[in-house]
Amino acid sequence: TQLLEQSPQFLSIQEGENLTVYCNSSSVFSSLQWYRQEPGEGPVLLVTVVTGGEVKKLKRLTFQFGDARKDSSLHITAAQTGDTGLYLCAGPYDTDKLIFGTGTRLQVFP
Amino acid sequence: KAGVTQTPRYLIKTRGQQVTLSCSPISGHRSVSWYQQTPGQGLQFLFEYFSETQRNKGNFPGRFSGRQFSNSRSEMNVSTLELGDSALYLCASSPGYDVRLAKNIQYFGAGTRLSVL
Repeated sequence: TQLLEQSPQFLSIQEGENLTVYCNSSSVFSSLQWYRQEPGEGPVLLVTVVTGGEVKKLKRLTFQFGDARKDSSLHITAAQTGDTGLYLCAGPYDTDKLIFGTGTRLQVFP
Repeated sequence: KAGVTQTPRYLIKTRGQQVTLSCSPISGHRSVSWYQQTPGQGLQFLFEYFSETQRNKGNFPGRFSGRQFSNSRSEMNVSTLELGDSALYLCASSPGYDVRLAKNIQYFGAGTRLSVL
């Protein structure tokens, strides 16, 4: 069974701080996705990384896919209160299925 | 383009009852997946329907069932509700797996929060 472990599980920081969330697996994935879920809403796709070693930037968010395509990280620079939410990584398996990571709950205080 | 719509948003039931949740996917999406989200177990895959056929199934008991209609709308049913079924049930639609781009993007609805008393 493929598993995606995220760390840390919880993160509580002040506005302006930087943070990194990790998504690790013992399995190789053809791609990995990152979603953010805000309270009362469903997850929303942030980015998909496809190539090993790939780095994608989305404003203050930087996503990296590991060279071996078994891990990914999300780095947020100068966090804002609007970044608060549940961050989930997800990867495809058996072509049509998607497995989600254990999640990282981020709380950014003003 | 309208997003994924789930109804109702909130539901309160008692043990032993049954419940039906509804999901309208994004127009043109033929794949609909259902997930259960709880604080302890995270987001777990229930099943996926494509063109009215259940294509994939997660590791849930037979009390959880679903169906998809010809217009791609989907319903999920839970019979003989248990306290542990209290969760946020999410529906996601997808245009399908993109082989060239190696990705399967899911578009989620806001969910139905089910509370079993």
